[in-house]
Amino acid sequence: NAGVTQTPKFQVLKTGQSMTLQCAQDMNHNSMYWYRQDPGMGLRLIYYSASEGTTDKGEVPNGYNVSRLNKREFSLRLESAAPSQTSVYFCAIEKQGSAMGFAERNEQFFGPGTRLTVL
Amino acid sequence: AQSVTQPDIHITVSEGASLELRCNYSYGATPYLFWYVQSPGQGLQLLLKYFSGDTLVQGIKGFEAEFKRSQSSFNLRKPSVHWSDAAEYFCAVGAVAGTALIFGKGTTLSVSS
Repeated sequence: NAGVTQTPKFQVLKTGQSMTLQCAQDMNHNSMYWYRQDPGMGLRLIYYSASEGTTDKGEVPNGYNVSRLNKREFSLRLESAAPSQTSVYFCAIEKQGSAMGFAERNEQFFGPGTRLTVL
Repeated sequence: AQSVTQPDIHITVSEGASLELRCNYSYGATPYLFWYVQSPGQGLQLLLKYFSGDTLVQGIKGFEAEFKRSQSSFNLRKPSVHWSDAAEYFCAVGAVAGTALIFGKGTTLSVSS
């Protein structure tokens, strides 16, 4: 049971190149999130998907696109990478709902991260 | 606007001493509150969460946090710090599942011997 997997672990791009960061889960959770982490800035939400078929912008969506391919997979795409997108990217998942039936907030499980450098 | 403030960027504590990490939040409704810990090169791990009930919440690894509505604070405490507690700690606030979770900028804890 791997929980949340992210590929690749490391990537170096040149300015203007494109790439897709992959996130997959085996916990059958509804909600998936993409964050970026920069020194002194904490984690900032890029995009999230409350459930299969829905996506929403977070705090810093510019320069990114996402696809919720199915319940398991949530990808993040950089169409034209810029040096400002050098960061560590984390995917997270969260279970929706509770035994009581309301949308209780649960723990987010994080992947190991992708370290991206844009030259 | 919704926000989380962790006033201390870096704290150094002697091993065996007590610890308190501060978190203040601004949120329109009663939020869910979380503390996460991140060891170097790792993802984040949940320490504890609060939504309602007893305002003193117990978490893993001997941590606890106290919710004070009047001060909009959710401070993390530990009575006796161990060297393995050295890490970065994040406070987070949010509404129901499937909505954004807002993280503070983090507090780095160093433990001296």
